[in-house]
Amino acid sequence: SQKIEQNSEALNIQEGKTATLTCNYTNYSPAYLQWYRQDPGRGPVFLLLIRENEKEKRKERLKVTFDTTLKQSLFHITASQPADSATYLCALGRGSTLGRLYFGRGTQLTVWP
Amino acid sequence: SQTIHQWPATLVQPVGSPLSLECTVEGTSNPNLYWYRQAAGRGLQLLFYSVGIGQISSEVPQNLSASRPQDRQFILSSKKLLLSDSGFYLCAWGLSEETQYFGPGTRLLVL
Repeated sequence: SQKIEQNSEALNIQEGKTATLTCNYTNYSPAYLQWYRQDPGRGPVFLLLIRENEKEKRKERLKVTFDTTLKQSLFHITASQPADSATYLCALGRGSTLGRLYFGRGTQLTVWP
Repeated sequence: SQTIHQWPATLVQPVGSPLSLECTVEGTSNPNLYWYRQAAGRGLQLLFYSVGIGQISSEVPQNLSASRPQDRQFILSSKKLLLSDSGFYLCAWGLSEETQYFGPGTRLLVL
């Protein structure tokens, strides 16, 4: 079965710095990878999707990279703000199983002023 | 625009009691629907998914069942709750095999 590791449970950084979160996976290569944001007591919110044939994708202050050789995705938040504090989840999809997503446990990001 | 509702928001139930959680989606037709559970300190675990009325696929054997009586309604049930059923239950919908949109969740505590 697919195993997904988000290599730190918690990440603390200072406001204005770039936060970098890591998602590693084993076994088969996904067709796409997604990143979600989850605030305490709430459902995850979709942020970005990157496909296996894409190296990088950007959205405002967010950047996602996808390295299928390393089996790794990096999620960057530039110019981080305290409002970015949340848990970030990565999820992998195979592209042929009607939306079956495999989620990591998440990394809790805290941005302090 | 599409919206997804879940209720109740919070539920405290005794062991052995029945359970019924409801999820409804507005503003779309024939969505794929999903039930997830998120236990403390653990990732999202897919419980059930449905591609149409009356079509339910179960991901893991458990004490729970799901039904889809209408196109945009998804129900999670149990006849007898266990302590281990405690957790945060999330419903999600999607039109394609890709992005999923999550509801606000139901916090279930079984005592």
